[in-house]
Amino acid sequence: KNQVEQSPQSLIILEGKNCTLQCNYTVSPFSNLRWYKQDTGRGPVSLTIMTFSENTKSNGRYTATLDADTKQSSLHITASQLSDSASYICVVTTSGTYKYIFGTGTRLKVLA
Amino acid sequence: DGGITQSPKYLFRKEGQNVTLSCEQNLNHDAMYWYRQDPGQGLRLIYYSQIVNDFQKGDIAEGYSVSREKKESFPLTVTSAQKNPTAFYLCASSTYGTGSYEQFFGPGTRLTVL
Repeated sequence: KNQVEQSPQSLIILEGKNCTLQCNYTVSPFSNLRWYKQDTGRGPVSLTIMTFSENTKSNGRYTATLDADTKQSSLHITASQLSDSASYICVVTTSGTYKYIFGTGTRLKVLA
Repeated sequence: DGGITQSPKYLFRKEGQNVTLSCEQNLNHDAMYWYRQDPGQGLRLIYYSQIVNDFQKGDIAEGYSVSREKKESFPLTVTSAQKNPTAFYLCASSTYGTGSYEQFFGPGTRLTVL
């Protein structure tokens, strides 16, 4: 069964600290993996996308990694800001059928 | 200004009523999607459409209906048959069959049943 699991479910950190969110997937055939940021009450916005051959992708203070062998991805946030408070959703796309498999998200809260 | 819009932002429905959620995009995308988001759950696919005048059921289509008469528009009707419609509804669009298949999401509609 195609599945995407994220951990932790929620996380609280202090402003300026770093954090890492995890995404494990059992999706086949794999096309790409994307991380989205979703502010409360808003639609998700894409942060990064990685294909099978990529293992690191950065977008400002956000760095995503992908290990296609172990089917794991992580999103590292550096020097967190209050505006980073949001849910972060991992989405894996299958090739061929172009299905999007969504994780349940990690809710991050950054405190001053 | 390119993007995908949804209206209304908030919607209240009495039990037994049908309501229609609007979704419009000017990104020239072929594919459009409707998702439902509940607390603690991932996005669940209701319906999707790959081309005009064609659409497919997703994982939770019961109690919902859609139409795709124009490329830019993909309205969702929540019927009285949907037993638990209170949720946050997200519309998305993407190119289809090419590239990275990135989905672009609208701002969402929060539906509450009174």
